[in-house]
Amino acid sequence: KAGVTQTPRYLIKTRGQQVTLSCSPISGHRSVSWYQQTPGQGLQFLFEYFSETQRNKGNFPGRFSGRQFSNSRSEMNVSTLELGDSALYLCASSLVRQDSNQPQHFGDGTRLSIL
Amino acid sequence: KNQVEQSPQSLIILEGKNCTLQCNYTVSPFSNLRWYKQDTGRGPVSLTIMTFSENTKSNGRYTATLDADTKQSSLHITASQLSDSASYICVVSGHSGYSTLTFGKGTMLLVSP
Repeated sequence: KAGVTQTPRYLIKTRGQQVTLSCSPISGHRSVSWYQQTPGQGLQFLFEYFSETQRNKGNFPGRFSGRQFSNSRSEMNVSTLELGDSALYLCASSLVRQDSNQPQHFGDGTRLSIL
Repeated sequence: KNQVEQSPQSLIILEGKNCTLQCNYTVSPFSNLRWYKQDTGRGPVSLTIMTFSENTKSNGRYTATLDADTKQSSLHITASQLSDSASYICVVSGHSGYSTLTFGKGTMLLVSP
């Protein structure tokens, strides 16, 4: 069974640009969550999508947005990039909602660097 | 404010030795507590998930304990191996306003030969 796939693995952008990251969950998983990971802050929750609807949102500015398609694949978009957006962006999928007793399965992330 | 505190921040042990990592939380109401292992450059991998009624849960050489009364959890690693070198993250599921998951900042474990 294929795991969670994130593309691209690495990305370099400049300030002011926008970026779209992609996540393909494990087949059958309906929940997709996005996280930002930095050395100083650890893992921080961005948002969760379940059956194409945003179920939960973390404390991030509106520049961060996402969506989920009918096949459960998800994309995350960051507009007007800032230096502080440099981070590892992780996607996780699970059968049901992220706070259930079912485990989340993480992809290996997209490393975003802002110059 | 819901918080998850992990200790120590980092730890170095010799191969073959045991170690225990700590996680204290203030998340309420509580749903479950998870331990993840994250290798450098990889995504986290789930080790255990424990609900309120579970005191101990094992996954191979990893044993997690939970004391819901004192809001403490520990992860015990037995007979450590070089491949255990990683960051171990404690995550508590509850309701914290914005997110239903509260993450600790992790303990970085280095197993030395």
